[in-house]
Amino acid sequence: DAGVIQSPRHEVTEMGQEVTLRCKPISGHDYLFWYRQTMMRGLELLIYFNNNVPIDDSGMPEDRFSAKMPNASFSTLKIQPSEPRDSAVYFCASSLNRKVYEQYFGPGTRLTVT
Amino acid sequence: GNSVTQMEGPVTLSEEAFLTINCTYTATGYPSLFWYVQYPGEGLQLLLKATKADDKGSNKGFEATYRKETTSFHLEKGSVQVSDSAVYFCALRSNTGNQFYFGTGTSLTVIP
Repeated sequence: DAGVIQSPRHEVTEMGQEVTLRCKPISGHDYLFWYRQTMMRGLELLIYFNNNVPIDDSGMPEDRFSAKMPNASFSTLKIQPSEPRDSAVYFCASSLNRKVYEQYFGPGTRLTVT
Repeated sequence: GNSVTQMEGPVTLSEEAFLTINCTYTATGYPSLFWYVQYPGEGLQLLLKATKADDKGSNKGFEATYRKETTSFHLEKGSVQVSDSAVYFCALRSNTGNQFYFGTGTSLTVIP
């Protein structure tokens, strides 16, 4: 299996621009998680889905952030408009329903907003 | 609420030294506890887990014991290798949902 795939690996954009991060979970996994990692705040859960349905989005920082999962093999995290404080590494992870504790992480997208 | 506190890094050890990375937690109910490892340029990988008090998780020579009385889950390895250089994250999962709470990570560098 190819593992969790994220794209792009690096994104540099200017403040005010829209940014879309993409994730393809491992085939057959029921859960998908979006995390943000910064030096100051560590790893934070933003939102997670179960069977394509958003279950908990309480970690989404504000309305500028939105996430979708239109099907079992694809999810997006969008930031519009982006701000410099959004600069971070964004990870996507997936897991099986019966082993939800064992999350498989993608390599991450390093976002820099100037 | 739920939270995880782990020792500040970075930690630098010589090869074959003994490793301890401290982790304590605050949680309601009976959480499950985990250690994840992040190698440079990669995502996190599950290293080991313990789902109830007094359980010992182990993998690749690493061990951690779920201590409810001290709310701790310290990571240990008897003899580290250069290939163990990575960032280690302690995490808990509440038994009331699927949310994970991660510590801030401890960077370990092992020198030959």
